[in-house]
Amino acid sequence: EAGVAQSPRYKIIEKRQSVAFWCNPISGHATLYWYQQILGQGPKLLIQFQNNGVVDDSQLPKDRFSAERLKGVDSTLKIQPAKLEDSAVYLCASSFDRATYEQYFGPGTRLTVT
Amino acid sequence: AQSVTQLGSHVSVSEGALVLLRCNYSSSVPPYLFWYVQYPNQGLQLLLKYTSAATLVKGINGFEAEFKKSETSFHLTKPSAHMSDAAEYFCAVSESGNTGKLIFGQGTTLQVKP
Repeated sequence: EAGVAQSPRYKIIEKRQSVAFWCNPISGHATLYWYQQILGQGPKLLIQFQNNGVVDDSQLPKDRFSAERLKGVDSTLKIQPAKLEDSAVYLCASSFDRATYEQYFGPGTRLTVT
Repeated sequence: AQSVTQLGSHVSVSEGALVLLRCNYSSSVPPYLFWYVQYPNQGLQLLLKYTSAATLVKGINGFEAEFKKSETSFHLTKPSAHMSDAAEYFCAVSESGNTGKLIFGQGTTLQVKP
């Protein structure tokens, strides 16, 4: 079974530029999560999708971050414009049944904002 | 609201020694509890999970954890450390309400000395 795919793996941009990350979850997983992991910290949930609908985006900085999952499969997370403090690893995870709470993670995208 | 505290941001053991990583949680209802491992430049991999069945949970790579409700703890152990166990370990607790959301601790970096 293929795991969660993410691209790119690494990205370096200057502040005020825009960037997009892509995630393809495990086939059949209805729930998709985007996390931000700052160096030395645990993952922090940014947004949770159930199929193509948003379940929780309370921690998403909506003035600069946006995410979509149009067909209920793959998802894109965008930052526009980026700030220095957005430097982090962005992790995507998916779950077959959110009632189990069991999440499977992709390799992440390491973003450096200079 | 649920929270997770991992005692000790860095733990160092000798190869062959006991590994003990501490996790305490706060939750108003019996939660699901998880341990994940993160190797450098990789995503999080599920080590084991507690879902209100047996209190002693066995996971992959020889790790196990014991749920102690009276102590609100879910410490991770391994009898004999191997060099390949060097990584960052995260404890996570489920958010109540069937949301599928996990709250992660800050992580503990395990160093294994030869």
